[in-house]
Amino acid sequence: DVKVTQSSRYLVKRTGEKVFLECVQDMDHENMFWYRQDPGLGLRLIYFSYDVKMKEKGDIPEGYSVSREKKERFSLILESASTNQTSMYLCASSTYETPGAYGYGYTFGSGTRLTVV
Amino acid sequence: ELKVEQNPLFLSMQEGKNYTIYCNYSTTSDRLYWYRQDPGKSLESLFVLLSNGAVKQEGRLMASLDTKARLSTLHITAAVHDLSATYFCAVDTDKLIFGTGTRLQVFP
Repeated sequence: DVKVTQSSRYLVKRTGEKVFLECVQDMDHENMFWYRQDPGLGLRLIYFSYDVKMKEKGDIPEGYSVSREKKERFSLILESASTNQTSMYLCASSTYETPGAYGYGYTFGSGTRLTVV
Repeated sequence: ELKVEQNPLFLSMQEGKNYTIYCNYSTTSDRLYWYRQDPGKSLESLFVLLSNGAVKQEGRLMASLDTKARLSTLHITAAVHDLSATYFCAVDTDKLIFGTGTRLQVFP
């Protein structure tokens, strides 16, 4: 099975801290994504990457940055955490493989619930 | 900007009843996903719809896609309590753009 692993299930950080959320996928997928999920707002795209060392801003990139030095790892960075970044963060990966082929589609990690105090 | 509108936002329904969740989107796409999410859990893929007129069924759930109308539906037949969850549609434009979700509650 395709697996997307997020390093932490729960995190509590202080305002102003630099926070790293790590995501690793084991299916050699080209594409990786970071979303945040808030009640009533659904999932919103923060950043995404279609290749190593490549990154694109999503709909809500402010206050975040990302790093993709290796194909399997995509890190989300909160340079200076703030309380309005308290949220559930979900990582996903996908491939350009033929629709219907094994591994096609998007696979999500189990999520990291971040609380900034 | 691509918008994905899902309605209703909240649905409380009695066991045994039928209902439909609607997903409208504002750009051309022929790829749409439906996900289920249980409280505190990640997303579970339900359906992948890859062309106009696509229809897929699994148990009491059936999803369809009309790319010309930019509309997808998730139909629930004879609801049971185990279907209680939040359901999301997501449009694929080489990245997923999600609707706001429909929280479904099925009661006896």
